[in-house]
Amino acid sequence: DGGITQSPKYLFRKEGQNVTLSCEQNLNHDAMYWYRQDPGQGLRLIYYSQIVNDFQKGDIAEGYSVSREKKESFPLTVTSAQKNPTAFYLCASSIGSSLNTEAFFGQGTRLTVV
Amino acid sequence: AQSVTQPDIHITVSEGASLELRCNYSYGATPYLFWYVQSPGQGLQLLLKYFSGDTLVQGIKGFEAEFKRSQSSFNLRKPSVHWSDAAEYFCAVGEAGGFKTIFGAGTRLFVKA
Repeated sequence: DGGITQSPKYLFRKEGQNVTLSCEQNLNHDAMYWYRQDPGQGLRLIYYSQIVNDFQKGDIAEGYSVSREKKESFPLTVTSAQKNPTAFYLCASSIGSSLNTEAFFGQGTRLTVV
Repeated sequence: AQSVTQPDIHITVSEGASLELRCNYSYGATPYLFWYVQSPGQGLQLLLKYFSGDTLVQGIKGFEAEFKRSQSSFNLRKPSVHWSDAAEYFCAVGEAGGFKTIFGAGTRLFVKA
């Protein structure tokens, strides 16, 4: 079945460590996105990528980095520079270069800094 | 700037009762509007979307939404709620030809027996 796979589902990190969240899709979608979700704040865009080897910052990119070496993969690294990384992270993809077609979301990764 | 407001943080309805979740947006041009549903600890699933045309949009799971330009609203409705509808609902607005979609803060729906 086609879809988006995020791993791991739960992740614990010590302060000062970098950690990478995986996002893989087999939908043949061009565009991929990373969102952060905090209680009562909806979803905030971290980074997005329209094509391979290209990506743009979203609204809250500080302390995060991404790569898009393959169409299927869009990993997110939460660096030690991110001051408050504990959150639920969602990856999404869409057919076109805009989210204004249907977006497909992964199941999310809950990151906790301990 | 674009924005989305969902005035109700949470709503409780009885099973079998009707439901209306409110959404107001701020956008200069004709917006692209969406409703998504999220079960606890899960990703988001698209319920329905409005791009143009008929202002009453039908979605999955028996949901519908009506676009009212004069009120800048896109309220979600369901005539009879089922216990499985308990979840968080997000309204979102996207810019035509753009890449960013702005999400509301969400409304959590509780269904009582």
